[in-house]
Amino acid sequence: NAGVTQTPKFQVLKTGQSMTLQCAQDMNHNSMYWYRQDPGMGLRLIYYSASEGTTDKGEVPNGYNVSRLNKREFSLRLESAAPSQTSVYFCASSEGFRYEQYFGPGTRLTVT
Amino acid sequence: GNSVTQMEGPVTLSEEAFLTINCTYTATGYPSLFWYVQYPGEGLQLLLKATKADDKGSNKGFEATYRKETTSFHLEKGSVQVSDSAVYFCALINAGNMLTFGGGTRLMVKP
Repeated sequence: NAGVTQTPKFQVLKTGQSMTLQCAQDMNHNSMYWYRQDPGMGLRLIYYSASEGTTDKGEVPNGYNVSRLNKREFSLRLESAAPSQTSVYFCASSEGFRYEQYFGPGTRLTVT
Repeated sequence: GNSVTQMEGPVTLSEEAFLTINCTYTATGYPSLFWYVQYPGEGLQLLLKATKADDKGSNKGFEATYRKETTSFHLEKGSVQVSDSAVYFCALINAGNMLTFGGGTRLMVKP
């Protein structure tokens, strides 16, 4: 039982490049989330998926897109990376909105 | 809307000292309350939770009591260890809304 896994762990991009962050959970959870964590700003929600087949914007969605590929997988795409997107990205999952979330180990992204 | 306020850190303690990290919240109704911990270089882990007033959550020597009258959920530990050095996040879930986090409090424990 791996919980929530994320790939890659580290990534360096040049401005304008694109990439996809992958997330998978093996807990049969309905809801999945993408956060970014910046120094002094805590966690901010980028996008979430309440259930398979649905996605919604969170607090800071600009510059990102998501895909809920199936119940297990939820990917985050940066179409044209910007230095302001340098951050640590966390994926999380939960049974539903009123339940605690379980987090992956994070992806540290640097955009130069 | 919902909000969570935590004491600003860093909190620096000597090993075996008593720890309190304050957390207060604003929410309507009866939220569920959580403490998460983030060790260096890792994701957040659920430390403990409480789902109704006067409940006490506990884990790994940490405790927090859900106080509805003071809208608080302070984290305590009687004797901290160097291995407790981490960032601690208070959070709440309320009536169909998503998890709302506080800003986090960094704890540093010195030998």
